[in-house]
Amino acid sequence: EVQLVESGGGLVQPGRSMKLSCAASGFTFSNYGMAWVRQAPTKGLEWVATISYDGSSTYYRDSVKGRFTISRDNAKSTLYLQMNSLRSEDTATYYCTRPDLDWFAYWGQGTLVTVSS
Amino acid sequence: DVVMTQTPLSLPVSLGDQASISCRSSQSLVESNGNTHLHWYLQKPGQLPQLLLYKVSNRFSGVPDRFSGSGSETDFILKISRVESEDLGVYYCLQSTHLPLTFGSGTKLEIK
Repeated sequence: EVQLVESGGGLVQPGRSMKLSCAASGFTFSNYGMAWVRQAPTKGLEWVATISYDGSSTYYRDSVKGRFTISRDNAKSTLYLQMNSLRSEDTATYYCTRPDLDWFAYWGQGTLVTVSS
Repeated sequence: DVVMTQTPLSLPVSLGDQASISCRSSQSLVESNGNTHLHWYLQKPGQLPQLLLYKVSNRFSGVPDRFSGSGSETDFILKISRVESEDLGVYYCLQSTHLPLTFGSGTKLEIK
């Protein structure tokens, strides 16, 4: 059974940094690209970033480019999202997802990031 | 960015009715290889999103056959025949043909 467990969320001040982690199990992590999708409170879904199976390729939405970094450790079956220069508009639940090709087939339970002073 | 427009925003239905949700994209979602990367999700209240259909009309594992999808190019439809109480929630379409990937704004299926 595919399991994705996010951690690292919480309250952070504007301009500060936070790193999210996603521990994967139930599949061969190194065979799959991974992605982060977020959802602001009471809002819709928004794709954030994608990384290829080996980490050689990464893609970001414009609003996080240069501030967020997606990475992975295949030896630990873990996905990361390093978030710098956080803004209030980054407040959201962040979901770790495993695409099957390019659709998000499996989702973690999400971790809430609140950016506020 | 490709804009995904879902209608209606809210869809009141009676249990047992058929429901239809429209998703329209601002650009064609057909890739050069002929594949169309349009997918549908359901987010039940208080839960994480779950994949219903991928590539327009393919049901994901465990999805009941009362869910069906159709469409091409820029216009797509999700149909639910015989709505059940477990189908209530917000439906989203997603396009993954173009970067950035974009979701529709959601359609809330609720009891009339």
